[in-house]
Amino acid sequence: KAGVTQTPRYLIKTRGQQVTLSCSPISGHRSVSWYQQTPGQGLQFLFEYFSETQRNKGNFPGRFSGRQFSNSRSEMNVSTLELGDSALYLCASSPTLWAGGGETQYFGPGTRLLVL
Amino acid sequence: GESVGLHLPTLSVQEGDNSIINCAYSNSASDYFIWYKQESGKGPQFIIDIRSNMDKRQGQRVTVLLNKTVKHLSLQIAATQPGDSAVYFCAETNSGGSNYKLTFGKGTLLTVNP
Repeated sequence: KAGVTQTPRYLIKTRGQQVTLSCSPISGHRSVSWYQQTPGQGLQFLFEYFSETQRNKGNFPGRFSGRQFSNSRSEMNVSTLELGDSALYLCASSPTLWAGGGETQYFGPGTRLLVL
Repeated sequence: GESVGLHLPTLSVQEGDNSIINCAYSNSASDYFIWYKQESGKGPQFIIDIRSNMDKRQGQRVTVLLNKTVKHLSLQIAATQPGDSAVYFCAETNSGGSNYKLTFGKGTLLTVNP
């Protein structure tokens, strides 16, 4: 069974631009969570989507948004990029709603975003 | 505020030795804890988890210990192998809350010397 896939793997943008990242969960998984990883802040939870609905979100500004499609694939969008948005963005899937521990999450390899 | 921290940022061990990675947490409401392993260029990989109603849980070559009194979590790796070299994160969450979120520690880099 294929793992979690994320595209693109690497991305370079400039300040003020917007970016869309894509995540395809493991086949049959219906929950997708997004995380940001930086050397300074470590891994931080962004949001979780289940059944096309955002179920929870972390402490990030409204510039960070996401959505989930009926096939469980998810996209994350960051508008008006700032230098501090440079990070590794990880998504993780689980069979059902993760909700803080209901299922094991499986992480993808991440998308490395560099904002210049 | 909520925080999860690690006592040692780096740990170097000899192949075959046992490794112990420690983690402190501050949120007394956290009831679910997870250890992840992250190798270079990869996403975190689930290792083992433990709920607050347990003190110890064992997996294959790994054991997690939870001391709720002092809010301390540890990961023990038996007979450490070169393939165990990676960054290890502990994470905590309050699974019963409506605003659950996984809070990660900064990570410990484990280096296994052959």
